[in-house]
Amino acid sequence: SQKIEQNSEALNIQEGKTATLTCNYTNYSPAYLQWYRQDPGRGPVFLLLIRENEKEKRKERLKVTFDTTLKQSLFHITASQPADSATYLCALDPSSGGYNKLIFGAGTRLAVHP
Amino acid sequence: NAGVTQTPKFRVLKTGQSMTLLCAQDMNHEYMYWYRQDPGMGLRLIHYSVGEGTTAKGEVPDGYNVSRLKKQNFLLGLESAAPSQTSVYFCASSGDISYEQYFGPGTRLTVT
Repeated sequence: SQKIEQNSEALNIQEGKTATLTCNYTNYSPAYLQWYRQDPGRGPVFLLLIRENEKEKRKERLKVTFDTTLKQSLFHITASQPADSATYLCALDPSSGGYNKLIFGAGTRLAVHP
Repeated sequence: NAGVTQTPKFRVLKTGQSMTLLCAQDMNHEYMYWYRQDPGMGLRLIHYSVGEGTTAKGEVPDGYNVSRLKKQNFLLGLESAAPSQTSVYFCASSGDISYEQYFGPGTRLTVT
């Protein structure tokens, strides 16, 4: 079946370290993949989009990679801070018809400890 | 610029009751979406709209109806609520050129 998998276990790291979150997908060939941040009780907030022809994308302390052969995206937060603690969702549009209809992973909760 | 707003924030319904959730966006976006989010599961698309007067089914449309009479508003209706519809509902919008979606704050619905 088609699905997106993110590590369901929470990721606990020490402040200042690099957090790496994984998103794996099967049976899709997406043109792009997106990452969102969600805080408890709030709606997701867009962070980064990476296209299939881009290997890596950076924004401040965030870095996303996209390996279409492995069907995997990695999301990195460098020099992590307690304020980075949240759930991070990956999403992709499985259709070629546009309209940005996203399929979301269940998310990985990140906890950054002082 | 309020972005995406949702009304109400919380609601409790009894089985069989009906209600309408309202989503409004002030970014002149063409595309609007309704998702539900359940514990341990990703956001699942219920219905979406690609422009005023259009609607289409998403991944989990059964038990819901939608309307988009005005470009800025997208309504989600539950005609006969069931306990399985207990969830947090999110509305989102996006432009037809950029791909990021802007989400509302959510509506927490409990059906008893």
